Amino acid sequence: GENVEQHPSTLSVQEGDSAVIKCTYSDSASNYFPWYKQELGKRPQLIIDIRSNVGEKKDQRIAVTLNKTAKHFSLHITETQPEDSAVYFCAASRETSGSRLTFGEGTQLTVNP
Amino acid sequence: DTAVSQTPKYLVTQMGNDKSIKCEQNLGHDTMYWYKQDSKKFLKIMFSYNNKELIINETVPNRFSPKSPDKAHLNLHINSLELGDSAVYFCASSQGVLRYTSYEQYFGPGTRLTVT
Repeated sequence: GENVEQHPSTLSVQEGDSAVIKCTYSDSASNYFPWYKQELGKRPQLIIDIRSNVGEKKDQRIAVTLNKTAKHFSLHITETQPEDSAVYFCAASRETSGSRLTFGEGTQLTVNP
Repeated sequence: DTAVSQTPKYLVTQMGNDKSIKCEQNLGHDTMYWYKQDSKKFLKIMFSYNNKELIINETVPNRFSPKSPDKAHLNLHINSLELGDSAVYFCASSQGVLRYTSYEQYFGPGTRLTVT
């Protein structure tokens, strides 16, 4: 089955700095890679996703890059703000199965004002 | 307005009891899921139903039994609760395994289960 590793487990940055979270996956057939943000005591919510037919996707201050050959993908947050503080999860799945998301272990991001 | 709802939000019970958690989605989605989030925040899928049919059944104790009376509801019944069952249980839904427009999973607010 799929295995997703996520690093770092904790990340502390100063407001305005950039933050990068990296994930690797094991199943070369995986082709859908979403990122979820979970604030304290809240539900996980999708913030961005990427499919394997593109190498990069950007949405305002967040971007995701994908390297299929190396089987890794990364989340980039620029100009971080205190409200970006949360746990971020990467995940991977095969679009053909559609539903089986395998999550990484999460990264606790803290943005210090 | 709530897209995916769960009840109850908190559940405190003693070892050995049987309890149920209910989930409902009003998004018209075909697929629903149960996830367990442990104390280390790790999210792990337990079950998935597509149009009331079980499609994912991970290695969970058979004390856990999902039931989907219709495609808008997915309930989770747990028998003989154990201390290790304490966790946050999230229900989620998505458009479906056969619809390729969006794979986004929408999560419910979670049910914090504490077994004493």
